[in-house]
Amino acid sequence: EPEVTQTPSHQVTQMGQEVILRCVPISNHLYFYWYRQILGQKVEFLVSFYNNEISEKSEIFDDQFSVERPDGSNFTLKIRSTKLEDSAMYFCASSGDSFSTDTQYFGPGTRLTVL
Amino acid sequence: GEDVEQSLFLSVREGDSSVINCTYTDSSSTYLYWYKQEPGAGLQLLTYIFSNMDMKQDQRLTVLLNKKDKHLSLRIADTQTGDSAIYFCAVTTDSWGKLQFGAGTQVVVTP
Repeated sequence: EPEVTQTPSHQVTQMGQEVILRCVPISNHLYFYWYRQILGQKVEFLVSFYNNEISEKSEIFDDQFSVERPDGSNFTLKIRSTKLEDSAMYFCASSGDSFSTDTQYFGPGTRLTVL
Repeated sequence: GEDVEQSLFLSVREGDSSVINCTYTDSSSTYLYWYKQEPGAGLQLLTYIFSNMDMKQDQRLTVLLNKKDKHLSLRIADTQTGDSAIYFCAVTTDSWGKLQFGAGTQVVVTP
């Protein structure tokens, strides 16, 4: 069964460093998303991406964050200068093939630890 | 904005039914989902319901939607130890839109 994959599974970085989190969405999907879950808190929406541009972003998704689909398969989230409060589990999701847009499938997540 | 609330913990004996409840505030929520998260794993889609439905059954899972009260529930029949996990309710107003999640209900199944 097709699935969303994410790498790395765990990333440790120093405050102020740049990180890139990678996702491979399900191959025929058209909509891509990033969410995060700070330990003990709700899963929060960050950004959605469609047709090579951001379709919606939350107030969390400030200028420190960017997303890119550099080729036909990868979808990346870049955090330019990480802060301690960026430590969280980051989930990528995808949805929407030719037949249906209504179900988001999630990857296993990348745990980001900022020291 | 939208708020989604769930009780945080449920303990159930193996073989019994589990009922996990969720309330939401936005009456224009059109798509309502249940996800399961096992320790160290991602969010696994369990089932979903559209706002024009009252009930959906899928094997051991039954979803009930009360639009008037903005209340969603997930019933798991014959709960097994493998059902121990965190269950998240999530809603959205558009099929392509952002999901708004509840805090998750930790279900613990005891023998």
